[in-house]
Amino acid sequence: SQKIEQNSEALNIQEGKTATLTCNYTNYSPAYLQWYRQDPGRGPVFLLLIRENEKEKRKERLKVTFDTTLKQSLFHITASQPADSATYLCALANTDKLIFGTGTRLQVFP
Amino acid sequence: GAGVSQSPSNKVTEKGKDVELRCDPISGHTALYWYRQSLGQGLEFLIYFQGNSAPDKSGLPSDRFSAERTGGSVSTLTIQRTQQEDSAVYLCASSPPGRRGSKYEQYFGPGTRLTVT
Repeated sequence: SQKIEQNSEALNIQEGKTATLTCNYTNYSPAYLQWYRQDPGRGPVFLLLIRENEKEKRKERLKVTFDTTLKQSLFHITASQPADSATYLCALANTDKLIFGTGTRLQVFP
Repeated sequence: GAGVSQSPSNKVTEKGKDVELRCDPISGHTALYWYRQSLGQGLEFLIYFQGNSAPDKSGLPSDRFSAERTGGSVSTLTIQRTQQEDSAVYLCASSPPGRRGSKYEQYFGPGTRLTVT
């Protein structure tokens, strides 16, 4: 069955460093991969979408890579700030439905 | 403009009662999704509406769950004879019609926290 894996352990990093989150998947060939941010008590917020024929996508301090051979996406936040602390979800799609990972909690401390 | 809204924000109900959860999507969005999120879990897909097409109900966990979307806009998720395991946050999302790729961007509401006692 389709499976999406994100590190369930929280990632703790110091302000100013680059945070790197990983999303691995199996038994799936997504046409699109998305990253969302979720704060406690709120719904997820869309951040970035990358297509299967794209290797990398950037938006401000965010960078996403998509390796369809490794079946992996990496999500980077450069110059991280305490305000970046949240749970980050990856989601895959090749139809109209998204399949979400369980998310990785990022904590950026001063 | 206004985002996706959901009501109520919190609902506490007794086991065995029926509940209705409401979602108002972003105006002009043709796709509407319902998800369930339990504590520490990922988003579990429940049902998907796209325009006037028949909904994709493949994620509904039992026949106690149903949803409708009236006039291609507002949607109601109904849970009959609620059980304690139904306790979760129910999230609604909508997507714009689409140019390539964009129809997969989903815009989420704040969710309804359902507690079944």
